[in-house]
Amino acid sequence: AQTVTQSQPEMSVQEAETVTLSCTYDTSESDYYLFWYKQPPSRQMILVIRQEAYKQQNATENRFSVNFQKAAKSFSLKISDSQLGDAAMYFCAYLGSSNTGKLIFGQGTTLQVKP
Amino acid sequence: DVKVTQSSRYLVKRTGEKVFLECVQDMDHENMFWYRQDPGLGLRLIYFSYDVKMKEKGDIPEGYSVSREKKERFSLILESASTNQTSMYLCASSLYRGGPETQYFGPGTRLLVL
Repeated sequence: AQTVTQSQPEMSVQEAETVTLSCTYDTSESDYYLFWYKQPPSRQMILVIRQEAYKQQNATENRFSVNFQKAAKSFSLKISDSQLGDAAMYFCAYLGSSNTGKLIFGQGTTLQVKP
Repeated sequence: DVKVTQSSRYLVKRTGEKVFLECVQDMDHENMFWYRQDPGLGLRLIYFSYDVKMKEKGDIPEGYSVSREKKERFSLILESASTNQTSMYLCASSLYRGGPETQYFGPGTRLLVL
């Protein structure tokens, strides 16, 4: 069975600085998708970024980028120029190509942004 | 924009009560999901549905059932609520079955069972 592990329950970053959230996963599949979701306090979870495993290039969305290391089964999220609005819980998630849309989530990392 | 709504933000129920949590999406999505979110455990899938009247068990279906009579609506039912079902419940939907589609989440229902 696939698993997703986020080993950092809490992280903090100074406003305007860069922070990296870690995620590792375990799978025997070769084709899959990885996601980072953001859950702001008392607000809906939204997609931050996604990565297809068959793509070697790391995904980027504005200030958010990933470091996808397929062999190491690692999928970290880098947030550059952190803003107060980035404070949230972040979840890493895995989607296998053989599943019917079922996401497997990590435990979550709470990010605090200090002004 | 996709909108996923849940019937209640907060619920307080007593042990043994039957509890209904409702979820509605407005974008004609095929897939709908129910998760529970607990500190340190992330989100765990309870049930999901890829079509009307279809349902599949997720990782933690015990103590729950679901109903999907219409494509836009997916209900989670706690037949006899217990204190260990106190949790945050999140509904989500995505466009196609089997596709790597983004899941869109509702705001969540925080359920307290006394």
